[in-house]
Amino acid sequence: EAAVTQSPRNKVAVTGGKVTLSCNQTNNHNNMYWYRQDTGHGLRLIHYSYGAGSTEKGDIPDGYKASRPSQENFSLILELATPSQTSVYFCASGDWGEVFFGKGTRLTVV
Amino acid sequence: GDSVTQTEGLVTLTEGLPVKLNCTYQTAYSDVAFFWYVQHLNEAPKLLLRSSTDNKRTEHQGFHATLHKSSSSFHLQKSSVQLSDSALYFCALSGPGDGNEKITFGAGTKLTIKP
Repeated sequence: EAAVTQSPRNKVAVTGGKVTLSCNQTNNHNNMYWYRQDTGHGLRLIHYSYGAGSTEKGDIPDGYKASRPSQENFSLILELATPSQTSVYFCASGDWGEVFFGKGTRLTVV
Repeated sequence: GDSVTQTEGLVTLTEGLPVKLNCTYQTAYSDVAFFWYVQHLNEAPKLLLRSSTDNKRTEHQGFHATLHKSSSSFHLQKSSVQLSDSALYFCALSGPGDGNEKITFGAGTKLTIKP
């Protein structure tokens, strides 16, 4: 089965600090995605990538950066974390629309 | 941009009854695929079923959905729900259909089944 691994699984960060969420996939998928999940908002797309070296802005990119250094790895970076970025973050990989999700990262910004 | 609308935020039903979860969409893409994902408590979302063919019924695990491009809808249905169907259900669309896909999810419908 397709494997997507996120780290860390839980993170507490201070306001104004830098946070990096990592994602690794062993599926050889070209496309990777970062979503955040909040009650009432569903899964909202932050950034996505079509392959190594590419990143695209999703629907809510403000305050986030992304990096895709290789086919397998896709990181989400919060340069200056804010309490409004407290959420559960999911990474996913997939081709032709069917995606496989990681187990999620619960981020709390205090 | 694309949008997916799920009108019910919360649905509560008694076991054995039928269910219909609504999903409508807006998209500028012509070559689009549609999905239903299910997320059980403290788990990641998983694919339930998909379709890209107009007016064709798709079935999986007792659930079914039919894409109707004329009404921009992809509703999810089941004839008799079980306790294990309690979960969060997301409708999603993927485009533009050239392999570099952007996937947009709806806000989700929480389905709770009571005995």
